Amino acid sequence: AQSVAQPEDQVNVAEGNPLTVKCTYSVSGNPYLFWYVQYPNRGLQFLLKYITGDNLVKGSYGFEAEFNKSQTSFHLKKPSALVSDSALYFCAVLSGLDTGRRALTFGSGTRLQVQP
Amino acid sequence: KAGVTQTPRYLIKTRGQQVTLSCSPISGHRSVSWYQQTPGQGLQFLFEYFSETQRNKGNFPGRFSGRQFSNSRSEMNVSTLELGDSALYLCASSLAAGWSSYNEQFFGPGTRLTVL
Repeated sequence: AQSVAQPEDQVNVAEGNPLTVKCTYSVSGNPYLFWYVQYPNRGLQFLLKYITGDNLVKGSYGFEAEFNKSQTSFHLKKPSALVSDSALYFCAVLSGLDTGRRALTFGSGTRLQVQP
Repeated sequence: KAGVTQTPRYLIKTRGQQVTLSCSPISGHRSVSWYQQTPGQGLQFLFEYFSETQRNKGNFPGRFSGRQFSNSRSEMNVSTLELGDSALYLCASSLAAGWSSYNEQFFGPGTRLTVL
């Protein structure tokens, strides 16, 4: 069965500093990986996805993610954090494309707090 | 293009009642998925509909059901409500040109259900 782990409940970073939100995955077959962000009282917003190709994926709002197959990781990164980046971040893996039972499995979420 | 809309946004019910939540996907999107978000269990997949057919169902009791109409709009129903059903219910739509596609899902703002 597929699974996603986000080992940090919260990440604190100062504005202007680089940030990393960690994600590791476990799937059989090729991974289809996604990052979403959730602001208070809002639904999830899509940030970026990895399907195949370059290991560095660029997404919305200046975020990028690095896919590492050997470490089964898909860490979210941003070179310079903004206070407005403070939110809840979810990593997810899509499975079931080969079985016809497609579903997104989410990690537990990481709260990012950017201090001014 | 309008995003995913969900109605109602907030709902208060009592134990034993039933509830119906509605989701209108982004125009042209044929796949609609439902997720339950709670502080304890996080984001959990409920089911996915594609071309009016339920394609996959998560690990939820039969009290949770859904359907999709020919215009891709979807409803989910929870019967005999329990206190533990209190959650944010999120709907997501995907372009899904084909069943094996891996397009990202776009989420609505959710329906906050409170069961008293």
